[in-house]
Amino acid sequence: AQKITQTQPGMFVQEKEAVTLDCTYDTSDQSYGLFWYKQPSSGEMIFLIYQGSYDEQNATEGRYSLNFQKARKSANLVISASQLGDSAMYFCAMRELRDTGRRALTFGSGTRLQVQP
Amino acid sequence: DAGVIQSPRHEVTEMGQEVTLRCKPISGHNSLFWYRQTMMRGLELLIYFNNNVPIDDSGMPEDRFSAKMPNASFSTLKIQPSEPRDSAVYFCASSLNMDRAEYSNQPQHFGDGTRLSIL
Repeated sequence: AQKITQTQPGMFVQEKEAVTLDCTYDTSDQSYGLFWYKQPSSGEMIFLIYQGSYDEQNATEGRYSLNFQKARKSANLVISASQLGDSAMYFCAMRELRDTGRRALTFGSGTRLQVQP
Repeated sequence: DAGVIQSPRHEVTEMGQEVTLRCKPISGHNSLFWYRQTMMRGLELLIYFNNNVPIDDSGMPEDRFSAKMPNASFSTLKIQPSEPRDSAVYFCASSLNMDRAEYSNQPQHFGDGTRLSIL
């Protein structure tokens, strides 16, 4: 079974508008962390934002915020005021914390975001 | 601060040749990860070291792949013999000690990757 599901292979958004990228996850751990990364066309992986399973507040980092709905097991990334430079692949990832042997990240398949002028 | 450094950035070689990818993690990071990225399979973990010890190598495809971390500042991923299906981008990432709960919110920092093409 997929641990991280990103159902939107591609998204378009107009410059200056907000966009939500979906991510759902599957885990039986009570303690876990969710991460979002950006991969521009140049290929590097850039960390954007983190949400812990016990965090009561939704994470925010500049124009990025996370809409965390624990009961629904979703952790959607919201980008406000989109810029042309936001065009990239976006990956949702999870780290499960119960088992020290499973501390690597499990990634979703990604969403390609294109910001249009 | 220097990030994760990978070399080479690009490698093109013929099937059957040995390939060695190198990684220097961020100083002070105790956990090191090798990932492979392909169109078909996305980003998948190959192996994870903590304090230079392999913790999880369940993602290593087969015996042709091996990884070592002889010290805290260097790791290699070797493919011998290489095959066309090994063509991918290989990422190395490092983070603070993932065994410690207080670092559980720390992201992994990725190198720029090695784009490997096996002809």
